[in-house]
Amino acid sequence: QSVLTQPPSVSGAPGQRVTISCTGNSSNIGANFVVHWYQQVPGTAPKLLIYINNNRPSGVPDRFSGSQSGTSASLAITGLQAEDEAYYYCQSYGSRLSGSVFGGGTKLTVL
Amino acid sequence: EVQLVESGGASVQPGGSLRLSCAASGFKFDDCAMHWVRQAPGKGLEWVSSINWNSGTIGYADSVKGRFTISRDNAKNSLYLQMNSLRAEDAALYYCAKSPRSGWWAVPIDYWGHGTLVTVSS
Repeated sequence: QSVLTQPPSVSGAPGQRVTISCTGNSSNIGANFVVHWYQQVPGTAPKLLIYINNNRPSGVPDRFSGSQSGTSASLAITGLQAEDEAYYYCQSYGSRLSGSVFGGGTKLTVL
Repeated sequence: EVQLVESGGASVQPGGSLRLSCAASGFKFDDCAMHWVRQAPGKGLEWVSSINWNSGTIGYADSVKGRFTISRDNAKNSLYLQMNSLRAEDAALYYCAKSPRSGWWAVPIDYWGHGTLVTVSS
């Protein structure tokens, strides 16, 4: 069980908006450590989606956005498309001694 | 084009050892921190270990600390993971990954390899 908690699944119809939460504690997200988000289509390697809370790498549509508040972070996807169907993972950090951690992952289904 | 090609995955008995390698190309290897991340079949991502550009800062997940050793050879553009005392729960697809900066802490992973499969079974 991961230190960062994500809902196992979320779903939405094409065109809708969905959010995926990532809940940590005072030792990681709550300590103001950054959060990154990754997208993984089954059978492929993960892809960086959002970095340092709310920055998009080149090529990632602005339909994807991130936010952080207290001990939680969220990924929002607007204008849902069929190609968004994938698993989504958050990543954050503990102290420099404890390193990094991923959330358990959320499966997004586009209805 | 950035390429990260893992090798060394195999089937090993519990208690055994394995050394994974990652050959990097398409970027300045000694400018970038590197990582190993694993994914058990049907499960999520698990951070394993990270190393900064000059091997001066290294981190390990608690689950592998004392058993796994990450290292790099900048002259050979290569990353390694020495895995000892392997357990059934270490079975997974092991990804080699890079960061866009020399340090790894709080820096995202921007490229991933395709992974090499480790099976631990008697």
